[in-house]
Amino acid sequence: GENVEQHPSTLSVQEGDSAVIKCTYSDSASNYFPWYKQELGKRPQLIIDIRSNVGEKKDQRIAVTLNKTAKHFSLHITETQPEDSTVYFCAASSYKLIFGSGTRLLVRP
Amino acid sequence: EPEVTQTPSHQVTQMGQEVILRCVPISNHLYFYWYRQILGQKVEFLVSFYNNEISEKSEIFDDQFSVERPDGSNFTLKIRSTKLEDSAMYFCASSEGLAGHNEQFFGPGTRLTVL
Repeated sequence: GENVEQHPSTLSVQEGDSAVIKCTYSDSASNYFPWYKQELGKRPQLIIDIRSNVGEKKDQRIAVTLNKTAKHFSLHITETQPEDSTVYFCAASSYKLIFGSGTRLLVRP
Repeated sequence: EPEVTQTPSHQVTQMGQEVILRCVPISNHLYFYWYRQILGQKVEFLVSFYNNEISEKSEIFDDQFSVERPDGSNFTLKIRSTKLEDSAMYFCASSEGLAGHNEQFFGPGTRLTVL
């Protein structure tokens, strides 16, 4: 069945450093790739998304890259701040969202 | 800004009881979804709904589950006979168009606790 793998499960970086989270997906029909952050007990909150006709998208300190051939997509956060610390989920979608297992990011002051 | 709303925020029930979780999608959206998230785990797709019928469902969505759009605004998830393992956060979502092309907007969730 459809599957999205996400790595790493935890990531600890020093404030100001970059953080990279990687995902791979299995369903070649997937054409929409959102990234969410989720505070404990809250709804997933969209932070950035990319569609299959684009290889890269940037929004201030956040960027996503997509390699459809390899079925990989990644989230890059630059100049990390302690308030970036939370859980991040990738997802891949053709007609429904299939989520990755999440990455807990800790940014050390 | 319009938002998806869900009620109740927390539901506690006894095993074997029926529960109905309610959602009000964004008014001009046509596609509706239910997801669940067991504590500490990933968000899992349950079912999608369009044009008053189920368009896709996952293996989790067995005969104990049903969805309904009883009127022009509400979208409900019913669990007929709850089990302990149904304890989770349930998120409703809606989108203007197909999920593959459009952002899904999530509600705040209903935390279901089955005792």
